[in-house]
Amino acid sequence: EVQLVESGGGLVKPGGSLRLSCAASGFTFSSYSMNWVRQAPGKGLEWVSSISSSSSYIYYADSVKGRFTISRDNAKNSLYLQMNSLRAEDTAVYYCAREAPPGTTVTGNWFDPWGQGTLVTVSS
Amino acid sequence: QSVLTQPPSVSGAPGQRVTISCTGSSSNIGAGYDVHWYQQLPGTAPKLLIYGNSNRPSGVPDRFSGSKSGTSASLAITGLQAEDEADYYCQSYDSSLSALFGGGTKLTVL
Repeated sequence: EVQLVESGGGLVKPGGSLRLSCAASGFTFSSYSMNWVRQAPGKGLEWVSSISSSSSYIYYADSVKGRFTISRDNAKNSLYLQMNSLRAEDTAVYYCAREAPPGTTVTGNWFDPWGQGTLVTVSS
Repeated sequence: QSVLTQPPSVSGAPGQRVTISCTGSSSNIGAGYDVHWYQQLPGTAPKLLIYGNSNRPSGVPDRFSGSKSGTSASLAITGLQAEDEADYYCQSYDSSLSALFGGGTKLTVL
């Protein structure tokens, strides 16, 4: 069974740092691009960052560029999000999501599956 | 303010048909990027509903269908059921290869 399990969320003060992890199982992790998507309380989905299978291509939303760093360890089947200089507006549930199988399309990948999410709260 | 525009809410009675629109621009949907749809039941993670504009993953009922035309896309749900009550999101890309989500649409089954 394909599974993604996030961890590392919690309460952090503004300006603080947090590192999220996403443990993948049930598929060949090293073959897939991965993403982080967040959802503020009561709000919609916001894409945060993506990383290609070999970490060659990395993209960030403007809202987190320069503060967040996405990385992966294919040997450990794990995805990470290092979040620095956290702000109140970063408060959200953070989901990791797998992109479509490699080579499936050139016109924009979909996300499937998603993890259950981990809550990050930035507050003093 | 999302780049992809969805109606905040739609509603319908059981058995009826509803549609949810997703309007973009020439720099995202209109540039040829596919549109995908997700269903988020209360308190759960999003689930892929439609991919590549009109394709259903295995296990998704054929009551759900998607289409795309120009700078917009639509999700149609026929034979509305109580368990369809959820939030629905469209997703595409822009030319900077950033993924985009619509603001979400809350479906209420009356």
